[in-house]
Amino acid sequence: KAGVTQTPRYLIKTRGQQVTLSCSPISGHRSVSWYQQTPGQGLQFLFEYFSETQRNKGNFPGRFSGRQFSNSRSEMNVSTLELGDSALYLCASSFVGADTGELFFGEGSRLTVL
Amino acid sequence: QQQVKQSPQSLIVQKGGISIINCAYENTAFDYFPWYQQFPGKGPALLIAIRPDVSEKKEGRFTISFNKSAKQFSLHIMDSQPGDSATYFCAAAIPHNTDKLIFGTGTRLQVFP
Repeated sequence: KAGVTQTPRYLIKTRGQQVTLSCSPISGHRSVSWYQQTPGQGLQFLFEYFSETQRNKGNFPGRFSGRQFSNSRSEMNVSTLELGDSALYLCASSFVGADTGELFFGEGSRLTVL
Repeated sequence: QQQVKQSPQSLIVQKGGISIINCAYENTAFDYFPWYQQFPGKGPALLIAIRPDVSEKKEGRFTISFNKSAKQFSLHIMDSQPGDSATYFCAAAIPHNTDKLIFGTGTRLQVFP
């Protein structure tokens, strides 16, 4: 079974630009979550989608948005990029209803904002 | 109240030794406590998890000890191996919300031969 796939793996943007990151969950997983990982703040929850609906949202500004498609694939968008948005963005999928509660993470998209 | 505090920030252990990482939380609504392991260049992967109805859970060399009254839980790695060198994150979640994990700040473990 293929794991969680994130694209692109690396990207460099400049301040003020916008970026879109893509995530393909494990086949059969309908829940997709996004996390931001930075050395200073660690892993922080961005949002979670299930059946194309945002179920949870973390404490990030409105510049951070996401969506989920009918095939469970998800995208997140960051507009008006700031230097502080430089981070590893991790996508995770899970099988809703599983008792384990396990999140399966992708390898992340590393964003550098110059 | 949503924080999970993790210590130490880094840990150096000799091969065969015991690695111990501690976490503490405030929110008594948390009922799911996983530990994730992350290798460089990879995403975190679930190592072991516990719910508050048990005080200990063991899987191979990895054990979670849970103290509900103290609101603390810890990861013990027995017979630590160089292959265990990674960053470990504790986390917590409230009921029916295990996709929204509150992570600790991580512990970088280095196991030397």
